[in-house]
Formats: sequence, C-alpha cells, structure tokens
Amino acid sequence: GQSLEQPSEVTAVEGAIVQINCTYQTSGFYGLSWYQQHDGGAPTFLSYNGLDGLEETGRFSSFLSRSDSYGYLLLQELQMKDSASYFCAVRSDYKLSFGAGTTVTVRA
Amino acid sequence: DTGVSQDPRHKITKRGQNVTFRCDPISEHNRLYWYRQTLGQGPEFLTYFQNEAQLEKSRLLSDRFSAERPKGSFSTLEIQRTEQGDSAMYLCASSLGQGHLYNEQFFGPGTRLTVL
Repeated sequence: GQSLEQPSEVTAVEGAIVQINCTYQTSGFYGLSWYQQHDGGAPTFLSYNGLDGLEETGRFSSFLSRSDSYGYLLLQELQMKDSASYFCAVRSDYKLSFGAGTTVTVRA
Repeated sequence: DTGVSQDPRHKITKRGQNVTFRCDPISEHNRLYWYRQTLGQGPEFLTYFQNEAQLEKSRLLSDRFSAERPKGSFSTLEIQRTEQGDSAMYLCASSLGQGHLYNEQFFGPGTRLTVL
C-alpha cells in the first residue's frame, strides 16, 4: 500500500516562500505529483517529478529524491490566490495515491 | 468547455436508496478514474478504466458500488442501498494513455453525495 505524510497547515504572508514537504512509503513508484485544490473546487495538476531533481513551473517548483522517498513543493512570491490545499500524490503506474493535504493560508 | 464534466453536482438521498453519477471525460482521453474524497482528506482511488475496460477496482469499493464505461466514452458510478458512510465528494478524472502529458490527470468538479 501507500503512505504519504505532509504537514496539515502552513500560514505565510504575501510575497513569502513556502515549502511543503512530502515523505512517502510505497510499493511501486513511478513518480510524485502535486495538485492544488481550492475550497469547493476540483484538484488541478501543478507538477510531476519522475526523476530526481527540481522541476520549475513559474512560481512553483517541485523536487524529488527517490533514494530518500521525499519530495517538496516550493511556492514562491506567494499571492492571496495561492490560499488552497496542496496534495502530494504517488503515481504507481496509472493511479494516484494522495496525501491528506496541506492547507496553505496566505495573509496580507 | 472541454474539461471533465460530472452530473449531478449535488445529490441528497435517503439511506437505502440507489444513486447514479455520470462523468464525461475530455474527449481524446482514453483513461478514466473515479476517486472519493471526504472532508480534510485527499482523494482516494476507487476504480480505473482504459477505454471501456475496467482494469482495477479498489478494495475500498464494496459490492454495492459498480462502475461502467460503455463504448469507452462517458462513465457511470452507481451506489446501491446507500449508507451514511457513503457521504462524500465523488471525483472523476481522465488522462491520455501515452505521451508526457499522461502523467497529468484532469479532474471534474465532483458530485457531492449526502446520505440522510
């Protein structure tokens, strides 16, 4: 089975940088995905790491270390609209196994 | 709108009733997934289709749950004899079967089920 751990909440001010860590235990690992979900909304894809290293997409970056079973999502230049839940998810072949999510609250 | 759509968006039912939800994936996507999400948790995988074939069904899914994807297009998820523990958001997602974008699953807005 899959087991993922990520912090439950993070609060930061506009313009700050936030790092959300994710550790996982899994049987069968293809890669680590990150999804954003606003209240009442659908999860939306942010990034995917299939290999070790850093992937950068605009203000968001994601990192993976397969040997440490660890990844993180970095949110830079935080904006109010970034207030949402962020989920790491292990991809094993076709399906995703999600963590419980990290609620990010951005304050003015 | 060419995203994933789900119908209905909300469903309130009494315990013991049957309910059916529909998902229309992005048209060129051959993979379709159902997930369930409860408050404060991440989505949990329920089942997966590649075209019309149901290739995996989670152990979370009791025999009261059934899903179909006739002709490899839209999909339905039926819950028979609903229980209060079935109350959740039911999410559908779709993805391409190959290519670099197949890592990305596109989610629909979900159907929120409340069992009274």
